[in-house]
Parts: sequence; structure tokens; C-alpha cells
Amino acid sequence: AQKVTQAQTEISVVEKEDVTLDCVYETRDTTYYLFWYKQPPSGELVFLIRRNSFDEQNEISGRYSWNFQKSTSSFNFTITASQVVDSAVYFCALSEADTDKLIFGTGTRLQVFP
Amino acid sequence: DSGVTQTPKHLITATGQRVTLRCSPRSGDLSVYWYQQSLDQGLQFLIQYYNGEERAKGNILERFSAQQFPDLHSELNLSSLELGDSALYFCASSVDGSHSGANVLTFGAGSRLTVL
Repeated sequence: AQKVTQAQTEISVVEKEDVTLDCVYETRDTTYYLFWYKQPPSGELVFLIRRNSFDEQNEISGRYSWNFQKSTSSFNFTITASQVVDSAVYFCALSEADTDKLIFGTGTRLQVFP
Repeated sequence: DSGVTQTPKHLITATGQRVTLRCSPRSGDLSVYWYQQSLDQGLQFLIQYYNGEERAKGNILERFSAQQFPDLHSELNLSSLELGDSALYFCASSVDGSHSGANVLTFGAGSRLTVL
């Protein structure tokens, strides 16, 4: 069965620190997609990235970077030089090739203090 | 603004009552999804519609039902409400319902339901 585990419930950092949010997934499929969403205090879910199972290249977008490792079934998210505006709950999610249904992890609450 | 509109934003009601949550998908999107976010269950997929037809079903209770109308807006009906139904209900939309797994879902701001 598909499962997404975000073991870190809450992380607190001081501004400008780097922080990595962990995501471990389980699936029997060879084709699947991984996502990260951000939920700021305002409550909406904001899409950050999608990665398919055949593309293990790391991705960087500004201060954000993602490390996908199939060997460890992990899709970790790093924020470099964190800012107060990064404070939010971050969700990792998985969907398999025959469904559009997202399986979400339990989320990691990131608090960035000035 | 994501382009997905949900109403109402907040709703307070009593046990045993029935409520309807409404969602207008992003312009051009044909598929609508409903998710429930609660403290104990996290984010759970409820149901998906594509162009008016039910496409996939998740952990949706029998007391809950949904539909997608010809203009593509969707409604989620929750009846015989219980305290445990208190949650944030999200609607999301995507361009298609291809079941490719690749669809990026755009979420609305959610409807917060409180059952007293």
C-alpha cells in the first residue's frame, strides 16, 4: 500500500539557517509521482514541486532544493537561508500512475524565528 | 489567489444537521477533488469528479455525497453531522482526470466546518 511518512512533526530554526524536511514514501509501483505542498498560516495548500519516479535529478529553485533518492525511497526538501515567510506546514505527497489521488504525509510544521 | 473558489469559508452548525460546501474549479480545469483535513486524520482524499462523472472514491462516509454540475462547479453535501466531522474541507482542481498520476492539483482556500 502507498504511504508517505514525514517523521519530523515540527522544526524550529532561526532566520538564515538551512533546514531539511524529510519525506519517505512506500509504493509498489514503478511509475509514481512525488509532490511537495506548502500550507501557510492562511490555510491554503500551495503546490511547490512535482517529480516523477524516473527522474532522480535534484532540483533547485531559488532557495528551495529537492533531493530524490529512489534507493532510500526519500524525497527531501531543503530550504537554504530560511526566512520568516517560510514558516508553514509542508506536506509531501505521492500519487501512482493509475490515479490522480494524492496520498499525503502528516506534514512538518516549520517555524522560522527572526 | 489559486483560482479555485470555495464557499463558505467558515460554517458552524449543530450535530444532526446537513450542510453543502461549494467549489468552483480553476478556469479550464475539468476535474474536481475533495479532501478533508482534520487533526486526527490529516489530509484525506474523499472523492474526484471529472467532467461531471465520478472518477475515484476515497474514504468518503456514506453520510457524505458530492456531485459536479454541467458548469463544472461541485458541491459536497454532508448530512447527519457529527462532532468528528469538524474539519477543513478542501476542493482542488486539475486540467484533466487522466489518472496518470502526474496531475498537479490546485487547491482552494478551504471551508472550515465546525460541528457543535
